[in-house]
Amino acid sequence: DSGVTQTPKHLITATGQRVTLRCSPRSGDLSVYWYQQSLDQGLQFLIQYYNGEERAKGNILERFSAQQFPDLHSELNLSSLELGDSALYFCASSAYGRPTPLTQYFGPGTRLTVL
Amino acid sequence: AQKVTQAQTEISVVEKEDVTLDCVYETRDTTYYLFWYKQPPSGELVFLIRRNSFDEQNEISGRYSWNFQKSTSSFNFTITASQVVDSAVYFCALSGGGRQGAQKLVFGQGTRLTINP
Repeated sequence: DSGVTQTPKHLITATGQRVTLRCSPRSGDLSVYWYQQSLDQGLQFLIQYYNGEERAKGNILERFSAQQFPDLHSELNLSSLELGDSALYFCASSAYGRPTPLTQYFGPGTRLTVL
Repeated sequence: AQKVTQAQTEISVVEKEDVTLDCVYETRDTTYYLFWYKQPPSGELVFLIRRNSFDEQNEISGRYSWNFQKSTSSFNFTITASQVVDSAVYFCALSGGGRQGAQKLVFGQGTRLTINP
């Protein structure tokens, strides 16, 4: 158990809908990352937050957004869902390190199926 | 741009055989970090090891060992005396230094390892 929790575990929805994925980082970790794992794209970085602020953006679609709250939990919002958004979404957390980045520990993932 | 290549898509061996998973990376950073993660059939990503670019010492942990060679930009992973429980998808990943925006992980495509009894 990495200490990172994600809810829900599974999510089935229809095209055009909006969903929210939730992540609680390990105790004490200030940095949260979101990744998407799909069959065609593999594991791809979406976005990083540190202590409530956005720090880095990857290949995140404009239909997707995220935020990190004062209690450090994070939410990934996916809207106008398309079939191609079906994937496993991972959250990871780390203690932000400078100059040495620290290891990212991953949650169990949320499997999103768009029908 | 950073890139990680795991040329072996699938490997299948018989239990107790040794197996090596290859990882080749590309980066322009002088300081970088390499990782291996395991994804068992249950789906979670489990951290295995992290290696800093300035530390080329190889590492052994039980049946697992890692060979980091900067000269060939490789970070290979060997499982000795493989067991059925080692069956999983293994990912090699690369991260830049601590500068802002560089801490994201760039993953290889993964190697699916099947250990047959």
